[in-house]
Amino acid sequence: AQTVTQSQPEMSVQEAETVTLSCTYDTSESDYYLFWYKQPPSRQMILVIRQEAYKQQNATENRFSVNFQKAAKSFSLKISDSQLGDAAMYFCAYRAPNYGGSQGNLIFGKGTKLSVKP
Amino acid sequence: EAGVVQSPRYKIIEKKQPVAFWCNPISGHNTLYWYLQNLGQGPELLIRYENEEAVDDSQLPKDRFSAERLKGVDSTLKIQPAELGDSAVYLCASSLHHRGGNEQFFGPGTRLTVL
Repeated sequence: AQTVTQSQPEMSVQEAETVTLSCTYDTSESDYYLFWYKQPPSRQMILVIRQEAYKQQNATENRFSVNFQKAAKSFSLKISDSQLGDAAMYFCAYRAPNYGGSQGNLIFGKGTKLSVKP
Repeated sequence: EAGVVQSPRYKIIEKKQPVAFWCNPISGHNTLYWYLQNLGQGPELLIRYENEEAVDDSQLPKDRFSAERLKGVDSTLKIQPAELGDSAVYLCASSLHHRGGNEQFFGPGTRLTVL
């Protein structure tokens, strides 16, 4: 079964600095998708960034970028120029394609709580 | 465009009482998901609908949980009777289709407290 591990329960960063959140996953699939979701105290999960496993190029979205290491099954999120509004829980999620017996459901890690210090 | 709407935002009930949660997905989204999020954990799928059909309910505890999505739009998740361990956040999400990298849009969730 696929699993997603976020080894950092909590992280802290100074405003305007850069922080990296770690995520590893376990799968035997070669084709899949990876996501980072942000969940602020309001509880509404918001998609931050996604990566298709077949793409070698790391995804970027403004201040957010990923370091996708397929062989190592690692998918870290880098937040540059951290802002107070970045403070939230961040969840890494894996999704297998929905064929070949897989339901293709999102599997989430336990999350990393990010604090941003002014 | 309105996002995924859920109600109520908070619910407090005594154990053994019934409770229901309501979800209105984004217009035009065929796929609807209900997730359970325990404190300090990531969401876990309870049930997935494609239009009005429950296509994956393997994680739904069917002895006390039920769900429906009439007319393939709004959905209701019910617990009867509720137990202390059901205290959690119940999230609803929707997507255009359940394929590939399709984004799932989440609602704000319902925080259930069972006393």
